[in-house]
Amino acid sequence: EVQVVESGGGLVQPGTSLRLSCAASGFTFDDYAMHWVRQAPGKGLEWVSGISWNGDTIGYADSVKGRFTISRDTAKKSLYMQMNSLRPEDTALYYCAKAYGATVASITFDYWGQGTLVTVSS
Amino acid sequence: YELIQPPSVSVSPGQTASITCSGHKLGDKYACWYQQKPGQSPVLIIYQDNKRPSGIPERFSGSNSGNTATLTISGTQAMDEADYFCQAWDSSVVFGGGTKLTVL
Repeated sequence: EVQVVESGGGLVQPGTSLRLSCAASGFTFDDYAMHWVRQAPGKGLEWVSGISWNGDTIGYADSVKGRFTISRDTAKKSLYMQMNSLRPEDTALYYCAKAYGATVASITFDYWGQGTLVTVSS
Repeated sequence: YELIQPPSVSVSPGQTASITCSGHKLGDKYACWYQQKPGQSPVLIIYQDNKRPSGIPERFSGSNSGNTATLTISGTQAMDEADYFCQAWDSSVVFGGGTKLTVL
């Protein structure tokens, strides 16, 4: 059974950092691109970042470029998001999503986790 | 790049619901659709314009031409009440703003 499970969310102050993790199982992790998508309370879906199967291609939304860094560890079958200089507008439920294909442009997200909540507030 | 969806659509049970997603030359790209029920994660219901993942009922179908992708739900059921999001690629992943489908 394919599963992606996020962790690492929490309440942090503006300007601080947080690292999200996503543990994958049930599929060959290094065959597929992976993505982070967030959803602010009561709002729609916003793509945050994606990484290709081998980590060679990475994309970021303009809203997080220069502050967030996506990475993956094949041995640990895990996806990560290092979030620096956090702002109140980064408050959201962060989902990890498996892509149907290997590239960042593979937009079909066929499996989603339950999300991890990040709250940025003083 | 922007994908525009109507904020809300209403449909009577058993009728056909259509949810549109508009974007510049969207028909030249692949579109996907996701369903999200309250308190749950999004679920892929249509990919590559008109393909259904296994387990998605046949009443869900998709089309994409010109500037508009359309999700059609035939014989809408109460359980289909949810938020629906379209998605496409234009140098990055783009989601539409979402449409709340009410079945009344």
